[in-house]
Amino acid sequence: EVQLVESGGGLVKPGGSLRLSCAASGFTFSSYTMNWVRQAPGKGLEWVSSISASGTYKYYADSVKGRFTISRDSAKNSLYLQMNSLRADDTALYFCARSDILTARFGMDLWGQGTTVTVSS
Amino acid sequence: DVVMTQSPVSLPVSLGQPASISCRSNQSLVYSDGHTYLNWFQQRSGQSPRRLIHKVSNRDSGVPDRFSGSGSGTDFTLKISRVQAEDVGVYYCMQGTHWPRTFGQGTKVEIK
Repeated sequence: EVQLVESGGGLVKPGGSLRLSCAASGFTFSSYTMNWVRQAPGKGLEWVSSISASGTYKYYADSVKGRFTISRDSAKNSLYLQMNSLRADDTALYFCARSDILTARFGMDLWGQGTTVTVSS
Repeated sequence: DVVMTQSPVSLPVSLGQPASISCRSNQSLVYSDGHTYLNWFQQRSGQSPRRLIHKVSNRDSGVPDRFSGSGSGTDFTLKISRVQAEDVGVYYCMQGTHWPRTFGQGTKVEIK
């Protein structure tokens, strides 16, 4: 089955760190650009970060640049998001999402169910 | 950053009636290759987003043909020809032309 399964969310204090994981299955993970998109409670979608298929190119939203790091391990078919210096406004449901095989400009054609991150003292 | 503005924010529609959602960007979404990378997503309550349309007007596999996308430059529209109960949810446009990627704030479609 083609799917993405996120894990690693939880409750963390402001200033703390968390590492999210996304396990991909059912497709050739190494061929796809991958993304993290988040959704704060009751709010809309916010793109967070993208990583090219090779892992060479990485892009970040200004709101997370310098604090979050995206990475991937094709041997493990996994995507990661290392989140440091967490703030209350990072509280959100974090989705792992696959970009279209033809071009990442077509947006995300496969989404996981998300993992919840809560930043609170 | 490119700002995507959707209207209306809320859209009550009677079953079987048409619905139209506008999405405007503050910069042209025409990429250097001549194509326009504007995509639409649907998010039903409690579910993950699902892509409906990519590159302005290309419906994804399995998306009913009552959904259609149109537009150019900075002005885009998602239309539902006859709204069904399963169409209730929030719809987002997203531009793939510029970094960072940006979404519209969403339009909530509900049954009147």
